[in-house]
Amino acid sequence: KQEVTQIPAALSVPEGENLVLNCSFTDSAIYNLQWFRQDPGKGLTSLLLIQSSQREQTSGRLNASLDKSSGRSTLYIAASQPGDSATYLCAVFMDSNYQLIWGAGTKLIIKP
Amino acid sequence: GAGVSQSPRYKVAKRGQDVALRCDPISGHVSLFWYQQALGQGPEFLTYFQNEAQLDKSGLPSDRFFAERPEGSVSTLKIQRTQQEDSAVYLCASSPRGPHNSPLHFGNGTRLTVT
Repeated sequence: KQEVTQIPAALSVPEGENLVLNCSFTDSAIYNLQWFRQDPGKGLTSLLLIQSSQREQTSGRLNASLDKSSGRSTLYIAASQPGDSATYLCAVFMDSNYQLIWGAGTKLIIKP
Repeated sequence: GAGVSQSPRYKVAKRGQDVALRCDPISGHVSLFWYQQALGQGPEFLTYFQNEAQLDKSGLPSDRFFAERPEGSVSTLKIQRTQQEDSAVYLCASSPRGPHNSPLHFGNGTRLTVT
């Protein structure tokens, strides 16, 4: 059974720092991996989608990498801003079904 | 509308009541998912529709849960005889094509509280 783990569970850093969020998964038979952002009381916003054949994706200050063989992904946020404060979740789509399997998220606080 | 719309935003039900949660996906989106999210956890898959066909309902926790999408657009998640453990946020998501190749667009969810 696929398990997705995110470390750390919470992170607080000063504004302007570069930071890395980690995601690991136990079953490498994934179709893609996605990173989402969730603001309190809101739904989820898709940030980046990496297909299993890709190594990384970039969008603005965000860069996500995927190492499928080792079961790891990282989300790199450059020059963090207070508006980046949110919970960041990673999720994997399995090859075999229609289910996104989610991590529990990393709660990020950027201090002004 | 511009995004996925869910209603009601909040629902309080007494234990044993039936509830119906509605999802209006983005117009023309083929794929529709329902997820259940407990406080402090990631979402858990409930069911998947491709147009009007329910292709995967393996995540529905019991036979008290039922979902439909009869015309391939609006979807309803129905929970019969609600229990306290059903309290959660129920999220709906849609995507323009099949489930694997395009990002999901989520609604803001329905927060269900069973008392």
